Amino acid sequence: QKEVEQNSGPLSVPEGAIASLNCTYSDRVSQSFFWYRQYSGKSPELIMSIYSNGDKEDGRFTAQLNKASQYVSLLIRDSQPSDSATYLCAVKYGGYNKLIFGAGTRLAVHP
Amino acid sequence: DGGITQSPKYLFRKEGQNVTLSCEQNLNHDAMYWYRQDPGQGLRLIYYSQIVNDFQKGDIAEGYSVSREKKESFPLTVTSAQKNPTAFYLCASSIGTSGIQETQYFGPGTRLLVL
Repeated sequence: QKEVEQNSGPLSVPEGAIASLNCTYSDRVSQSFFWYRQYSGKSPELIMSIYSNGDKEDGRFTAQLNKASQYVSLLIRDSQPSDSATYLCAVKYGGYNKLIFGAGTRLAVHP
Repeated sequence: DGGITQSPKYLFRKEGQNVTLSCEQNLNHDAMYWYRQDPGQGLRLIYYSQIVNDFQKGDIAEGYSVSREKKESFPLTVTSAQKNPTAFYLCASSIGTSGIQETQYFGPGTRLLVL
């Protein structure tokens, strides 16, 4: 069974710190990895996608992928209170663009 | 103004009633999806459609039905056979389903409650 695991949190960090969110997956042939941000009561919005081993940076966000360890992470630099949300990790498998979602990690950034 | 719209925002279902959730997109995307989200859980795939007049069951299709008669529309019916329908329902779309860079984008969601 294909699974995506995330620590449910809450992960509490002070404003200005680096928040590190982690995700592990079980399907070795997965190729595409996505991080979505979901504010309470709202729908998920795409933050980052990553397809190759290594780091991918976009503004304050950096996604890191290690396929050998089946591990993907999201770093948020200079965390702001507006970053407080649940972050969902999603992994694509198969040929039909089916995504498996983790349960999400709740991030709380306090002033 | 392109995007995905879902209606209604809130929907109340009575026992034994079928209800239909609307999902429309004007992004010219070929693929559309329906997910269900329960509190504290990730999204679970109900149905997906790669092209018009074609759709496949996801991981939790029992008690649900869909149609895809137009590219822009992918309505979801929650039937009376779905015994625990209370959840947040999310519709998504993507350009296609081949290749590794087909990102899914979500509508605002419909919250279904049972009376």
